[in-house]
Formats: sequence, structure tokens, C-alpha cells
Amino acid sequence: DIQMTQSPSSLSASVGDRVTITCRASQTTRTYLNWYQQKPGKAPKLLIYGASSLQSGVPSRFSGSGSGTDFTLTISSLQPEDFATYYCQQSIRNPYTFGQGTKLEIK
Amino acid sequence: QVQLQESGPGLVKPSQTLSLTCSVSGGSISSGSHYWSWIRQPAGKGPEWIGRIYTGGSTNYNPSLKSRVTISIDTSKNQFSLRLSSVTAADTAVYYCARVDSDMVMAFDYWGQGSLVTVSS
Repeated sequence: DIQMTQSPSSLSASVGDRVTITCRASQTTRTYLNWYQQKPGKAPKLLIYGASSLQSGVPSRFSGSGSGTDFTLTISSLQPEDFATYYCQQSIRNPYTFGQGTKLEIK
Repeated sequence: QVQLQESGPGLVKPSQTLSLTCSVSGGSISSGSHYWSWIRQPAGKGPEWIGRIYTGGSTNYNPSLKSRVTISIDTSKNQFSLRLSSVTAADTAVYYCARVDSDMVMAFDYWGQGSLVTVSS
């Protein structure tokens, strides 16, 4: 299985901050890398697919980059509704696997 | 707008079979560019992919669950289903159904709200 490792596991930040979350794959996923946002009691929501493509309806303050084994999710200016848990996920090989999550909390 | 909704028992006894159905609305389950998946998430943990099915009935399963999982599809009802046999407490989780878009590097673009299944006697 391809192991997905996110860092940090948790992060405290303030409204207006720029935040970056990192995801590393144990082997190359090319750009078959997706990012999701999950709020408590809700299903994950797709933010970024193909490492850098913004899902329809997602604010442009979210962006993704990377290829191969190293990827980043950046939120350019945190808004109150962005405090949530974020997951990366590879979709190049069965079984599709997720990172352990990064919990973004209000400072 | 595509919507997915899981349904099924919330409590299953150990060694029995977990059965869930996902009803799809707002779009056809027979769409050629989509697969249909089941994903589960134990409390406080990350999601785990269970498997997927294509409209024609072809399936792929997570090897860690393959011996116990069956995913089926009923295009006439616009539904697909999950069966997980010989359950234990480790199978307690929120179970989600999701659409997979093959035009979007197989990302899960629509999800159901989730169904909590507890395995307990």
C-alpha cells in the first residue's frame, strides 16, 4: 500500500494567516493526489484534485501543488469557516489511501 | 446536483453481515465516467477506502477487506450496496458512499452524509 504522511498533525493559526499543509507519499503518485476538508459530524468535501486543480465552488484561497511524492495544500488567508481537518488521498493505486489528517485549530 | 444517501441498520452483531445501500439522486448511476465507492471512518481516525463498482458491475476492493466485502449495483433503482461479512468491533465506523470521477483523477467528488454502524452484541 502507498502510505500517505501529513505534517503537521495539528496546527493553530489565526484568521487571515497563510497556512501550508504537507503530504508525502511512500512512492510516487504522479499527480493523482487529492485534498479534502472535513468538519465535525460531516462527510469530507473535495477541495483539490489532481494535485492542483480547484474543485468547482471551492474558494480560490485554497491551492495545491506538487507531484511525485511531495505535495502541499495552501490556504492563502484563513477564514473562520476553514477551521477543520484536512486529508490528502492518493488515487493512483489500489488501495486508495488517505493521510492521517491535519487538524487546523483557531489560535 | 448529485446527492447520495446511505441506509441500513445502525447496529450489527459480531460475526454477522453488515449491509448498507446508497441511493443516488440528481444523476444516473449508469454514467460512463463515474465509479461508485464505499469508504469508512472509525471515530477519530482517517478514512479507509473499502472498494468501488462500475456501472457494468466490475469491482475493485481493498485487499485488506477483499475476503469479506461485496459491492453490487442496481441500475434500475439507481442504487449500489455494500455487504461486509463476519464483522467484529473493529468494523465499527461511519460508512460513507461516494462518487468517483474518472475525469478528475478518480477523486471522490460527491459523498453521502454517512451512516454510523456499531458492531456489538
